[in-house]
Amino acid sequence: NAGVTQTPKFRVLKTGQSMTLLCAQDMNHEYMYWYRQDPGMGLRLIHYSVGEGTTAKGEVPDGYNVSRLKKQNFLLGLESAAPSQTSVYFCASSIQLADEQFFGPGTRLTVL
Amino acid sequence: GQQLNQSPQSMFIQEGEDVSMNCTSSSIFNTWLWYKQDPGEGPVLLIALYKAGELTSNGRLTAQFGITRKDSFLNISASIPSDVGIYFCAGSSPQGGSEKLVFGKGTNLTVNP
Repeated sequence: NAGVTQTPKFRVLKTGQSMTLLCAQDMNHEYMYWYRQDPGMGLRLIHYSVGEGTTAKGEVPDGYNVSRLKKQNFLLGLESAAPSQTSVYFCASSIQLADEQFFGPGTRLTVL
Repeated sequence: GQQLNQSPQSMFIQEGEDVSMNCTSSSIFNTWLWYKQDPGEGPVLLIALYKAGELTSNGRLTAQFGITRKDSFLNISASIPSDVGIYFCAGSSPQGGSEKLVFGKGTNLTVNP
């Protein structure tokens, strides 16, 4: 099993450009999450999903959109990237909302 | 929302020393988890605690679920260079009708050979 995978691993964008980060999990987990990690800030929840076709806002949702069209995939979109969105993005999944979360390897995004 | 206070924020130790870090909250938690994040990787679960007072070991790591259910600590004995990384605590508690996992801000551990 690959667990949780993320695509791409690195990306550089110019301000105003758009992009989509892809997360895939092969553990049949219902719950999936997107976090951003910044120095000294820990992991901050952007959006999460409690099942196929559902999404919900987390702690820092502004500037991001998500979609969960298939149970195994959770997409994070940036419609108009800003330098403040320079960060490392992690996807995670879990069986239940309060259970252990399994993390992907991360995507390092730089917005110039 | 619920908040976890994790301390210390960073630690610089010599190889062979013991390490202790903790998480506290003003709220009661039902589960405590401890993760480690190696440089350039995603967090990986080290220890999970499900019962107040529970003490669990995983090799050189020992973690305890506080009896008040408002805190947890992680100890690392005889540190080695590969212990370097960020350690996160996480706890689950009821929020707004459902139970969710919240993370501390992490303890950044540096081990000098």
